[in-house]
Amino acid sequence: AQSVTQLGSHVSVSEGALVLLRCNYSSSVPPYLFWYVQYPNQGLQLLLKYTTGATLVKGINGFEAEFKKSETSFHLTKPSAHMSDAAEYFCAVTLDTGRRALTFGSGTRLQVQP
Amino acid sequence: EAGVVQSPRYKIIEKKQPVAFWCNPISGHNTLYWYRQNLGQGPELLIRYENEEAVDDSQLPKDRFSAERLKGVDSTLKIQPAELGDSAVYLCASSLVLAGSYNEQFFGPGTRLTVL
Repeated sequence: AQSVTQLGSHVSVSEGALVLLRCNYSSSVPPYLFWYVQYPNQGLQLLLKYTTGATLVKGINGFEAEFKKSETSFHLTKPSAHMSDAAEYFCAVTLDTGRRALTFGSGTRLQVQP
Repeated sequence: EAGVVQSPRYKIIEKKQPVAFWCNPISGHNTLYWYRQNLGQGPELLIRYENEEAVDDSQLPKDRFSAERLKGVDSTLKIQPAELGDSAVYLCASSLVLAGSYNEQFFGPGTRLTVL
């Protein structure tokens, strides 16, 4: 079975600062990894995904993440935070092409200070 | 293209009352998921449908929860009777599952249930 751990339930950064949200996974086979963003009272929106190929993946809104198999990590980064980035971020994993459900982490709430 | 539609968006009921949630997936998507998101946590799968067949309902509390997906399109999730612990956001997602390819799940806005 797979699992996801997100370190830090709350992260606060200043506008313009680096954003780093941490995600570690546990999986017996090569996983597919995802980052979703959730704004208040809205559903989840896919930011980026890793399935196969290049381990550094770029997503929407300037976010990117790097799959590091040796560290079982998939941390999300953005060079410069914007006020509009304030939201809840979820890391998720699945073991196949999406037929099965996603296993989500508990989420990290990002606050951006002016 | 319309996204996943859910209704109602909010529901407040007293414990022991029944409640139902409705989901209309993206047109053409053959797979539908119901997730429950408790406060401060990530979503957890309740049930997954491939067309009209429930293929993974191991996390669905079958004593009080039921679901159906008529004609492989719309789906309804029901709770009867509701308990205080059922207060959560219920998310519906859909995807077009094709063999050998990644299939993104698209999420609806959810139904926020409050049980008093």
